[in-house]
Amino acid sequence: DSGVTQTPKHLITATGQRVTLRCSPRSGDLSVYWYQQSLDQGLQFLIQYYNGEERAKGNILERFSAQQFPDLHSELNLSSLELGDSALYFCASSERGEMDEKLFFGSGTQLSVL
Amino acid sequence: GESVGLHLPTLSVQEGDNSIINCAYSNSASDYFIWYKQESGKGPQFIIDIRSNMDKRQGQRVTVLLNKTVKHLSLQIAATQPGDSAVYFCAEIGGDDKIIFGKGTRLHILP
Repeated sequence: DSGVTQTPKHLITATGQRVTLRCSPRSGDLSVYWYQQSLDQGLQFLIQYYNGEERAKGNILERFSAQQFPDLHSELNLSSLELGDSALYFCASSERGEMDEKLFFGSGTQLSVL
Repeated sequence: GESVGLHLPTLSVQEGDNSIINCAYSNSASDYFIWYKQESGKGPQFIIDIRSNMDKRQGQRVTVLLNKTVKHLSLQIAATQPGDSAVYFCAEIGGDDKIIFGKGTRLHILP
């Protein structure tokens, strides 16, 4: 158990809808990362937060947004969903948000857009 | 663009044998590399890391080798066990401080 909690584990929705994925980092970790994993693209970095502030942005679509709350949990919002958004979404956390730290990943949220 | 790739998408190894998983990276400015293991239904899990000022690092049953000349990284698993079945990702920290993951190699253990 990595200590990172993601909910829900599975999400099935329709095109055009909006969903929210939730992540609680490991106790003591200040930084949260969101990754998308699909069969053809592998693990793609979406966005990173550190202590409530956005720190780095990756290949995140404009339809997607995220935030980190004062209690350090994070939410990833996906809107106007398309079939191609079906993927595993992982949250990871680290203590300092530095690039030379190991990441602790949650078990992911499997999103299916029908 | 910069990328991290894996030579073999699937590797089948006899139980008890050693496994070698390879990874090529393209950014010569990368100075930190990590191997992650992802078991079915779980998120990636840190295995071992290495910095560019080293060419070898050993952990418990795992060794990572770094060859900067040919920009090659490998993960060696000694005495492979059924519990080693997973997808293994290499990741590099590029010059822009972003983590780039390879697509992964699936390790399949033969009984």
